[in-house]
Amino acid sequence: QKEVEQDPGPLSVPEGAIVSLNCTYSNSAFQYFMWYRQYSRKGPELLMYTYSSGNKEDGRFTAQVDKSSKYISLFIRDSQPSDSATYLCATGMNTGFQKLVFGTGTRLLVSP
Amino acid sequence: DAGVTQSPTHLIKTRGQQVTLRCSPKSGHDTVSWYQQALGQGPQFIFQYYEEEERQRGNFPDRFSGHQFPNYSSELNVNALLLGDSALYLCASSSYTRQGTSGNTIYFGEGSWLTVV
Repeated sequence: QKEVEQDPGPLSVPEGAIVSLNCTYSNSAFQYFMWYRQYSRKGPELLMYTYSSGNKEDGRFTAQVDKSSKYISLFIRDSQPSDSATYLCATGMNTGFQKLVFGTGTRLLVSP
Repeated sequence: DAGVTQSPTHLIKTRGQQVTLRCSPKSGHDTVSWYQQALGQGPQFIFQYYEEEERQRGNFPDRFSGHQFPNYSSELNVNALLLGDSALYLCASSSYTRQGTSGNTIYFGEGSWLTVV
């Protein structure tokens, strides 16, 4: 079993839709959670960082963490064609030197 | 403020050769990590450097080695290249002292695309 599971998609939605991207993780020691956006053949771009359960909002993006069920989500409101990319969830433990454990990424396609 | 910079952006090598990839971390960051991202997969942690020492290592063979310099920049070396080493190699930078705080963020460079033929 992978430490972080993520549906690879692709997920296709029309412009303006609300998008829900999700990951589950297996290790309860994971304490911080990140979402990265990766355009084709580019490096990952940090979108959201959360350190506890609950919601965090930044513009059209909302990150949600439920540690009790080991479930993390990213919601995108009013999706745009420019949001078309692969979205990677990542997590890690806050002990010693940190390393990120990634999901496989979900490819999102937003059509005009 | 320059972000994480990596070089070269693309390179092609032959099986058995050696390659060196370079990374300069974001200003103010002192910790550098390297990740390998195969096509269609998420990045996999290779190793991490802080104060010029390897601090953590993922499940990669000894053919993968690295170095960190006093100015925090880093190199990734891969010896005896295999076809399976073809991937995007990503450098990530962070601040050791900000670990465990709300300011703990990890930024990636654009990566180096390695093709082994």
